[in-house]
Amino acid sequence: GENVEQHPSTLSVQEGDSAVIKCTYSDSASNYFPWYKQELGKRPQLIIDIRSNVGEKKDQRIAVTLNKTAKHFSLHITETQPEDSAVYFCAAIIQGAQKLVFGQGTRLTINP
Amino acid sequence: KAGVTQTPRYLIKTRGQQVTLSCSPISGHRSVSWYQQTPGQGLQFLFEYFSETQRNKGNFPGRFSGRQFSNSRSEMNVSTLELGDSALYLCASSLGMGQASYEQYFGPGTRLTVT
Repeated sequence: GENVEQHPSTLSVQEGDSAVIKCTYSDSASNYFPWYKQELGKRPQLIIDIRSNVGEKKDQRIAVTLNKTAKHFSLHITETQPEDSAVYFCAAIIQGAQKLVFGQGTRLTINP
Repeated sequence: KAGVTQTPRYLIKTRGQQVTLSCSPISGHRSVSWYQQTPGQGLQFLFEYFSETQRNKGNFPGRFSGRQFSNSRSEMNVSTLELGDSALYLCASSLGMGQASYEQYFGPGTRLTVT
């Protein structure tokens, strides 16, 4: 079945710097890749997603890139702010299924 | 639109008991998926219901079951509770069909503690 690996598990950056989180997936049939942000004690929140027919997608300070050949995708956060501190999860869905397979999460800390 | 809601928010049960959790999806969403979140295993898929039918299933024992009603509300049941079932149980709703069918939106979760 599908497997998603996420790195790093923890990431600490200075406020204003950029943060990058990377994920790899195993099943080439995966065609949808969302990213979720989970603040302490709160629900996972969908922040951006990308489909397999697109190489890059951007929404303000957040961008996601997808390399289908290498089977990896990345989240880029620019001009980081303290409110970006949270756990970020990548996930993948195989075409035809509603089953999200999640990475293990990255705890991002923004230092003021 | 109101978001996904889950009840109860917190539960404490004893080993061997059973529990039922409820999830109300976003209005118009017909798919409800359930996930278990633990510090050790992360977020794991339990099952997905669409139009009152289980459409996808994860790798959990038969003690975990679910159902969906005609109004798309879903319930999840865990029988013969074990200590290892202590977790945050999250449901997520999506349209289930069409272009945006993959976008899943999570509820606040039910924190289950088994003692």
